[in-house]
Amino acid sequence: GAVVSQHPSRVICKSGTSVKIECRSLDFQATTMFWYRQFPKQSLMLMATSNEGSKATYEQGVEKDKFLINHASLTLSTLTVTSAHPEDSSFYICSASVEGAVETQYFGPGTRLLVL
Amino acid sequence: GQNIDQPTEMTATEGAIVQINCTYQTSGFNGLFWYQQHAGEAPTFLSYNVLDGLEEKGRFSSFLSRSKGYSYLLLKELQMKDSASYLCAVRSGGSYIPTFGRGTSLIVHP
Repeated sequence: GAVVSQHPSRVICKSGTSVKIECRSLDFQATTMFWYRQFPKQSLMLMATSNEGSKATYEQGVEKDKFLINHASLTLSTLTVTSAHPEDSSFYICSASVEGAVETQYFGPGTRLLVL
Repeated sequence: GQNIDQPTEMTATEGAIVQINCTYQTSGFNGLFWYQQHAGEAPTFLSYNVLDGLEEKGRFSSFLSRSKGYSYLLLKELQMKDSASYLCAVRSGGSYIPTFGRGTSLIVHP
């Protein structure tokens, strides 16, 4: 149980385009989902926290207009990187937690984004 | 804020024991996690400590000393597949979301 999937696993796009990444909880309902970014040999950096049906809470320094997060259902959250630039190239990882057990995070397999 | 420190890289021999240390400075400590992350993959949960002492789980054990702001992850009978990055993450200040350290890259060689 507690499987989280991400799609796509890998994406290459041109500078200026937008990319959407999906995060799904496959066998449980996730009241809260988290989006992280990880640069090579760096730590996981929390970008935002999203709760189903409400606006995401962004961490300091993360542009909410650039990284659009939608958590429309209890099993799906999406992250859209708008007008992507080469410096947005990174490994994006989502995780999900369940109401009442928010201390436990289940991580997705990650999405490798390369912006040319 | 939090300050989490772990060694950048360690090497060890297959079959041996290795200890990965993590020190932290924070207020309102509320738990420490260890995760394993293979290259290009998501982290997988290894352990969670909130009280002082040693938690053993198979070949992996995790220790916590809250007064010293110190934890270690102990890996026994190392296998080649244990080559990975090990992330220490600390939760504090009333938040249930942990902050991750940079991770320790462990290389296990024959």
